Amino acid sequence: EPEVTQTPSHQVTQMGQEVILRCVPISNHLYFYWYRQILGQKVEFLVSFYNNEISEKSEIFDDQFSVERPDGSNFTLKIRSTKLEDSAMYFCASRQGQGKTQYFGPGTRLLVL
Amino acid sequence: AQSVTQLDSHVSVSEGTPVLLRCNYSSSYSPSLFWYVQHPNKGLQLLLKYTSAATLVKGINGFEAEFKKSETSFHLTKPSAHMSDAAEYFCVVTEGDTGRRALTFGSGTRLQVQP
Repeated sequence: EPEVTQTPSHQVTQMGQEVILRCVPISNHLYFYWYRQILGQKVEFLVSFYNNEISEKSEIFDDQFSVERPDGSNFTLKIRSTKLEDSAMYFCASRQGQGKTQYFGPGTRLLVL
Repeated sequence: AQSVTQLDSHVSVSEGTPVLLRCNYSSSYSPSLFWYVQHPNKGLQLLLKYTSAATLVKGINGFEAEFKKSETSFHLTKPSAHMSDAAEYFCVVTEGDTGRRALTFGSGTRLQVQP
């Protein structure tokens, strides 16, 4: 069964450094998402992406964040200058189209020191 | 605006007894509702979804949920718990179904299953 994959599974970085989290959505999916879950808190929506542009973003998704689909398979989340409060589990999700389910990847656990 | 309240942060049951995980939602439009499960160190797996068809929805692993508009509830049930059901469960809502709408998650319910 096709699945969403994410790399790396864990990432440790120093405050102020840039990180790129990578996702490979399911191949025939058209809508892509990033969510995050700070330890002990809710899963929160960050951004959705469709047709090579951001279609919706939350207030969390400020100028430090960006997303890109650099080729036909990868979907990346970049944090330009990480802060301690960016430490969280980051989930990628993809969806085929209207009326379809969002499928989630296993997540990347980011720790900012 | 949409929101979800999971009424219990922790639920503990004995193996073989029924499971009830409670969820209430708020939505300005016709909602789509989901239950996702997260096992330790795993991703989020869809258990079941309601999208304005039958109000009683059957999912994987023997789980089901009933959409009750009058009570704005979408409780998750299972007749008999198994040890492998121990996990975190999330009730999730989205408004409409344009394909671009973000999901709004509840705070989660941790289910423990005692032998």
